[in-house]
Parts: sequence; structure tokens; C-alpha cells
Amino acid sequence: NAGVTQTPKFQVLKTGQSMTLQCAQDMNHNSMYWYRQDPGMGLRLIYYSASEGTTDKGEVPNGYNVSRLNKREFSLRLESAAPSQTSVYFCASTRGNTEAFFGQGTRLTVV
Amino acid sequence: QKEVEQNSGPLSVPEGAIASLNCTYSDRVSQSFFWYRQYSGKSPELIMSIYSNGDKEDGRFTAQLNKASQYVSLIIRDSQPSDSATYLCAVRPPGGATNKLIFGTGTLLAVQP
Repeated sequence: NAGVTQTPKFQVLKTGQSMTLQCAQDMNHNSMYWYRQDPGMGLRLIYYSASEGTTDKGEVPNGYNVSRLNKREFSLRLESAAPSQTSVYFCASTRGNTEAFFGQGTRLTVV
Repeated sequence: QKEVEQNSGPLSVPEGAIASLNCTYSDRVSQSFFWYRQYSGKSPELIMSIYSNGDKEDGRFTAQLNKASQYVSLIIRDSQPSDSATYLCAVRPPGGATNKLIFGTGTLLAVQP
């Protein structure tokens, strides 16, 4: 089982460029999440999707959009990247009320 | 007040000692609680989950939940250098599976050989 797969692992963007981070899970989980992690800040929730067809804002949604393409896939889009979006991004998924499983992370640098 | 709070540390303990990590949460009716371990540059991995008041033991790890006082703890016995990592507390607020999973900022644990 692959679990939760994120692409890409690393990315460098110039300010103003756009990109989409991809996430897919093969565990038949209903809920999926996007977090960002900055030094000393823990994991902060950007957006989440409780089920296919629904998305909701988390703590830090500004500058991001998401799409729950189907039950397996949940993408995060940066329309116009800013240096403040330099971070490590994690995708996660859960089934019901249980624990979250994480992807390997995407290290994004915006210059 | 943050929804989930942890002392950032670092918490330094000698090898073989007990390490005690604490977490408080703001929403009294939160339903499920998790401890994750994260090594530098890696993804968080689940250590323990706990859903009801009391203690839950798994090997060298014990999770303690006190809903009345709104805290959850992780006790690591016989600490090893390989336990050195950041420990993240996560809480699921009311709403169960349809709601978000909120993390604390993490506590850095350093086990000295």
C-alpha cells in the first residue's frame, strides 16, 4: 500500500508563479487535509475536505485554493505564490474519527 | 487562547529516564486525541490515540487523558536516544469525523546518551 502520496517533494517558485500540489490516498478514507509547517508553528490547517464534494477552510486559507477531485485526490493550488508561502506542506487523510495518515511532505521555496 | 497548546521545549532527559509531555486543549467537548512523533525532515507518525478518560499503555508509551481538566499527556518510560524528536499533540473538536484535526506546536524532546 502506498498510503498517502504527495507530489512534488521539492519545488522552487518565483514570486507570482502558480502551482498545484497533488495528493492521493489509496486507503478509501473520506476526509483529507492540507497542512503547512513552519519552524516553531506546528502544523497549521489550510483546508480540509470531510468527504468527496465538500471543502472547508482551516486556520490559514488565504492565498490557497483546493479541489477534492474524487474520493482519492485532494489538490492544493497557489494562484500567485508569495515568499510567505515558503513552507513544508503535508497532506493527510483519515477514516471516521480515527488518526490521520500523512504524506511525505512537499518542501516549497518561493523566491 | 490557542485550541491546542504545548510547551515547545526543548525537554532534555537522560537515557533511561521518564519523559513527560503535556498538552492542553480549549474545547471541553473534544472527542479524540492523538500523539504523533516527528523526526527532523520527516512526516508525523502516530504514537498513540486515546478517546476516553484514563490511561492507555503501549509498550514504553502511556497516554493519559483528563477531560475535566482538558489535558492529555504522553509518558515515555526508559527513554532512548532514538526517542529524540518533536512530539505533536492533535485534537479533534466536536463534530467527529466531519471536523478538522488541530495540532499543537509540538514539544522537542532530547534524550541524552
